[in-house]
Amino acid sequence: DQQVKQNSPSLSVQEGRISILNCDYTNSMFDYFLWYKKYPAEGPTFLISISSIKDKNEDGRFTVFLNKSAKHLSLHIVPSQPGDSAVYFCAASVAGGFKTIFGAGTRLFVKA
Amino acid sequence: EPEVTQTPSHQVTQMGQEVILRCVPISNHLYFYWYRQILGQKVEFLVSFYNNEISEKSEIFDDQFSVERPDGSNFTLKIRSTKLEDSAMYFCASTQDTANQPQHFGDGTRLSIL
Repeated sequence: DQQVKQNSPSLSVQEGRISILNCDYTNSMFDYFLWYKKYPAEGPTFLISISSIKDKNEDGRFTVFLNKSAKHLSLHIVPSQPGDSAVYFCAASVAGGFKTIFGAGTRLFVKA
Repeated sequence: EPEVTQTPSHQVTQMGQEVILRCVPISNHLYFYWYRQILGQKVEFLVSFYNNEISEKSEIFDDQFSVERPDGSNFTLKIRSTKLEDSAMYFCASTQDTANQPQHFGDGTRLSIL
């Protein structure tokens, strides 16, 4: 079951530069997408979300872009900070549904 | 900020034994979830629970698994006869509304089956 895919297991970025994390999905019924951040020994923490009626949502340094025709979304972090180093999970759900499908995660390293 | 709390943080159990993982969701939340993450793999949905019944479950959630809300605060996951492959991090989550809301996760229980 690979409905949500994060093809890059890791990403290394210099502090102050942009981090771009990518996610693809296969289920066209998904209409709500989220990014979670996870530190070791902690549960996932919600970061930002986007509904399928939008193509962009911004919250401070974090912006999520959604391309429905390509079934692709991305998370941009600008500027990246060392504290952003974590595993980032892309997730998706269906309106009125009861489950969220997660990708495999991308480990982000932000170097000082 | 209210938190989802899970106990214990680490559970070690002999294969074949029953185990109960406990969660206290955020108090005004109505929807509850269990996920698991096998080491190095993705977070996998197990089950969702609303109004004292299962709303949806995955193929992983077979007859060996059950969930219960025994009182107004706790939400438990029981594995009846544990197998080696049940070793994983188990995360509880809750939302006020359906899955189309960010889920609040606990810090997980690491289950080790020997």
